Amino acid sequence: KAGVTQTPRYLIKTRGQQVTLSCSPISGHRSVSWYQQTPGQGLQFLFEYFSETQRNKGNFPGRFSGRQFSNSRSEMNVSTLELGDSALYLCASSSAGGFTDTQYFGPGTRLTVL
Amino acid sequence: EDQVTQSPEALRLQEGESSSLNCSYTVSGLRGLFWYRQDPGKGPEFLFTLYSAGEEKEKERLKATLTKKESFLHITAPKPEDSATYLCAVQFRGNQFYFGTGTSLTVIP
Repeated sequence: KAGVTQTPRYLIKTRGQQVTLSCSPISGHRSVSWYQQTPGQGLQFLFEYFSETQRNKGNFPGRFSGRQFSNSRSEMNVSTLELGDSALYLCASSSAGGFTDTQYFGPGTRLTVL
Repeated sequence: EDQVTQSPEALRLQEGESSSLNCSYTVSGLRGLFWYRQDPGKGPEFLFTLYSAGEEKEKERLKATLTKKESFLHITAPKPEDSATYLCAVQFRGNQFYFGTGTSLTVIP
């Protein structure tokens, strides 16, 4: 079974631009979660989507948004980029998104904002 | 406030020198505790899930245990390839995961 894939793997943007990251979950998985990882803060939860609906949301500004498609693929968008948005963005999928469901991570997208 | 704390932040071991990593949590209604391994520049790799106090899981040189307020990841006779950052996460009140900041393990040949 193929794992979680994320595209692109690396991205360089300048302040004020916007960016869209993509995540394809493991086949059959319906829940997709997004995380931001930085050296100082560790993994911070952004949001979770299940069956095309945002089910949980972390404590990030509205510049961070996402969506999920009917095939469970998910995209994350960051508008008006700031230097502090430079991070590794990780996507994780789980099968039903239910009770104690293990999350499997993709390789991440490394975003650098100049 | 609910919190996940991992200690130590960094650990250097000689090859073959066994040790333990700690993950303590102050959450109510724990539904699961997860251990991951992360290599530089890569996504976390799933290791174990623990659901209830007293539970233990083993995989090669790793053994994870869970009590009511903390979990330990025991590493027996580590090898250089065990060098990585080990992350602990807890799940409660729905599907949201809360991660600790990790323990960076270096095993010296």
